[in-house]
Amino acid sequence: AQKITQTQPGMFVQEKEAVTLDCTYDTSDPSYGLFWYKQPSSGEMIFLIYQGSYDQQNATEGRYSLNFQKARKSANLVISASQLGDSAMYFCAMSLANFGNEKLTFGTGTRLTIIP
Amino acid sequence: NAGVMQNPRHLVRRRGQEARLRCSPVKGHSHVYWYRQLPEEGLKFMVYLQKENIIDESGMPKERFSAEFPKEGPSILRIQQVVRGDSAAYFCASSPSRSPDYEQYFGPGTRLTVT
Repeated sequence: AQKITQTQPGMFVQEKEAVTLDCTYDTSDPSYGLFWYKQPSSGEMIFLIYQGSYDQQNATEGRYSLNFQKARKSANLVISASQLGDSAMYFCAMSLANFGNEKLTFGTGTRLTIIP
Repeated sequence: NAGVMQNPRHLVRRRGQEARLRCSPVKGHSHVYWYRQLPEEGLKFMVYLQKENIIDESGMPKERFSAEFPKEGPSILRIQQVVRGDSAAYFCASSPSRSPDYEQYFGPGTRLTVT
């Protein structure tokens, strides 16, 4: 069974600074995908970034990048130049590639607060 | 392009009543997932469906809960004889094909309150 661990329940970061949100995962499957979602106070789930287990390069999407260290089983989210609108809950999630295991397994989340 | 639609957005039910949650996936998406989020917790998988088939229901309670995704129409999550512990946000997500090759697009959720 797969497992996602997010060890930072909450973080406070000064506006315009970079922030790293930690995520470690556990699976014995060689083929999987890692996702980050943002959940603002309004409650919707917003997809941020995806990393496949066989991708050679770290994924990037605008100000978001994923620091993928396969040997350490970590998939940290890096937000550069943080903005007030980045204040939200952030969830790391994983999905396996084998049939019947496509569900997303989520971590417990990190509540990020950007300080002006 | 319309995203995943869920209705109602808010639903209040008394204990013992039935709750029906609807999810219309992104047009062309044939894979639907339901997740539940208890207050201050992460999302927990409930069920994964393709058109007319349940692929994985390992996260769904055996009693009182059922889900369907008919050939025509939205996916329905049905909770019979609701109890206070069913109060949560229920999210539907869809994808055009199997994860993890494709991201799951989430709907806005249905907030169920059982009084």
